[in-house]
Amino acid sequence: DAGVIQSPRHEVTEMGQEVTLRCKPISGHDYLFWYRQTMMRGLELLIYFNNNVPIDDSGMPEDRFSAKMPNASFSTLKIQPSEPRDSAVYFCASSPSLGGYTFGSGTRLTVV
Amino acid sequence: DQQVKQNSPSLSVQEGRISILNCDYTNSMFDYFLWYKKYPAEGPTFLISISSIKDKNEDGRFTVFLNKSAKHLSLHIVPSQPGDSAVYFCAAVSNTGKLIFGQGTTLQVKP
Repeated sequence: DAGVIQSPRHEVTEMGQEVTLRCKPISGHDYLFWYRQTMMRGLELLIYFNNNVPIDDSGMPEDRFSAKMPNASFSTLKIQPSEPRDSAVYFCASSPSLGGYTFGSGTRLTVV
Repeated sequence: DQQVKQNSPSLSVQEGRISILNCDYTNSMFDYFLWYKKYPAEGPTFLISISSIKDKNEDGRFTVFLNKSAKHLSLHIVPSQPGDSAVYFCAAVSNTGKLIFGQGTTLQVKP
């Protein structure tokens, strides 16, 4: 298995633009998580899905952020409009159960 | 409100010596804890875990200690090796099953 695949690896965008981050979880994993890594707060959980259904989105910072999981093999995290304070590394993780996470390599987002 | 805290952003130790990374948590309902290791440009990878029914778990050079009364856990690496240089995240499993991470501690092991 190729593991959790995220794209792009790096994204540089201008403030106000829409940004879409993509994730392909490990086949057979029922849980998918989106995390954001910052220096101040470490790894923050933004949202997680179970069997493609959003379960907990309490970590989504504001309405500019949205996430979808249209099928078991694909998820997106969208920021519209993007702001400089959104600059961070965004990780996707998947798991067959709660607790045993496998992380992707992350997307480093820079908003200028 | 940070429920899992790693108060030391960085730690530097000499090769061969012991590395001790600390983690505190605020929620006494947490009953399972994990440590993840992260190299630059990679995602975090699972290192070691401990259940609240134990106070110690050992795996090779890595040992995690849990002090429930103090709501404190620590990761000991002995002997430390240059390849251990990475960011280490402490995490707790919440009562809803999701992982709550600390801020991370950057370990540098000097040859």
